[in-house]
Amino acid sequence: DIQMTQSPSSLSASVGDRVTITCRASQGIRNDLGWYQQKPGKAPKRLIYAASSLESGVPSRFSGSGSGTEFTLTISSLQPEDFATYYCLHHNSYPRTFGQGTKVEIK
Amino acid sequence: EVQLVESGGGLVKPGGSLRLSCAASGFIFSAYSMNWVRQAPGKGLEWLSSISSGSGYIYYADSVEGRFTISRDNAENSLYLQMNSLRAEDTAVYFCARLSGSSDPDSWGQGTLVTVSA
Repeated sequence: DIQMTQSPSSLSASVGDRVTITCRASQGIRNDLGWYQQKPGKAPKRLIYAASSLESGVPSRFSGSGSGTEFTLTISSLQPEDFATYYCLHHNSYPRTFGQGTKVEIK
Repeated sequence: EVQLVESGGGLVKPGGSLRLSCAASGFIFSAYSMNWVRQAPGKGLEWLSSISSGSGYIYYADSVEGRFTISRDNAENSLYLQMNSLRAEDTAVYFCARLSGSSDPDSWGQGTLVTVSA
């Protein structure tokens, strides 16, 4: 099974900060990775698919990069509505696995 | 607009059974693979099961293999999860999700809460 190691588990940042979240796969998964945002009590929302493609309607301050085993989600300028928990998910093979999540909190 | 609405959650005793449903609308349900994902209280997301558009391919997480069964009725635009031999650790919000062309979930329902407790 492929394991996804996501870091950090939490971070504190201020509005306007640049934020970077990383996911590492235990083996190569090409670009078979998505990034999701989840707010409390809500369903996850896909932000990025195929590692670097921006979901329609998602602000351009979100970007994804990486291939193989190392992936990054970047928020270029954190906005108040971005405070949430973020997850990566690989879809290279079964079983699918999510990263452990990164909670982005207000500093 | 894509809509996924889960139902069937509730309180069940350990060892009991429950059947979750997910009603789909706003897209051609029979053309898409579907997922179940859950989230225990205060915890992260856990993929549970996937089913292909024609039910020919089905996959499960080890944690539910042999206890849970995913199925679908394309004529009724519905996805199901039959859950047997429920345990306290199955307590979670259960989400259904549509799989996009790139095979990852692109649309999610709002979830239904399952509580397993005596």
